[in-house]
Amino acid sequence: DIQLTQSPSFLSASVGDRVSITCRASQGISTYLAWYQQKPGKAPKLLIYAASTLESGVPSRFSGSGSGTEFTLTISSLQPEDFATYCCLQLNSYPFTFGPGTKVDI
Amino acid sequence: QVQLVQSGAEVKKPGASVKVSCKASGYTFSGYNMHWVRQAPGQGLEWMGWINPNSGATNYAPKFQGRVTMTGDTSITTAYMELNRLRSDDTAVYYCAKERRGWVDYWGQGTLVSVSS
Repeated sequence: DIQLTQSPSFLSASVGDRVSITCRASQGISTYLAWYQQKPGKAPKLLIYAASTLESGVPSRFSGSGSGTEFTLTISSLQPEDFATYCCLQLNSYPFTFGPGTKVDI
Repeated sequence: QVQLVQSGAEVKKPGASVKVSCKASGYTFSGYNMHWVRQAPGQGLEWMGWINPNSGATNYAPKFQGRVTMTGDTSITTAYMELNRLRSDDTAVYYCAKERRGWVDYWGQGTLVSVSS
């Protein structure tokens, strides 16, 4: 199975900050990676797919980059509604696997 | 708009089975795979597998093979996930989520399954 690791696991930030989260795969997955945002008690929400394509309706302050084994989710200017947990999902090979998540908190 | 509405919370004893439903609307149900993902309390997300509602084809994660059955009823646009021989570590929120061109986009609201003696 492909293992995904994320760093950091916890991130303390302020409104207006630029934050970046890294997702690393145990083997190359091309750009078969998606990023999700999850708030407590809610279902995940798709932010980015194909490593860098912004999902329709998602604010442009979110961006993704990377290919192969290293990927980054960047929030250019953190807004109050962005405090949440972010996780990555690889869809390159079965079984699909998720990263452990990064909690972005104040 | 796309909606995935799941069945309510369940409490089960170890060794029992649970069947969670996911009613889809707002898109062509038979045209897209439906995935199932679970999340244990305070833990990360875990992919369980998918079903193609049109063909009935499935792809299960090895961890659940032999214990999970995913089905779909196109006449009522509903997908189901049945998990057998429940254990305490199966306690989790179970989500259905539709696929779009290879990507998992919309998710249901989740169904809490609690397993306890």
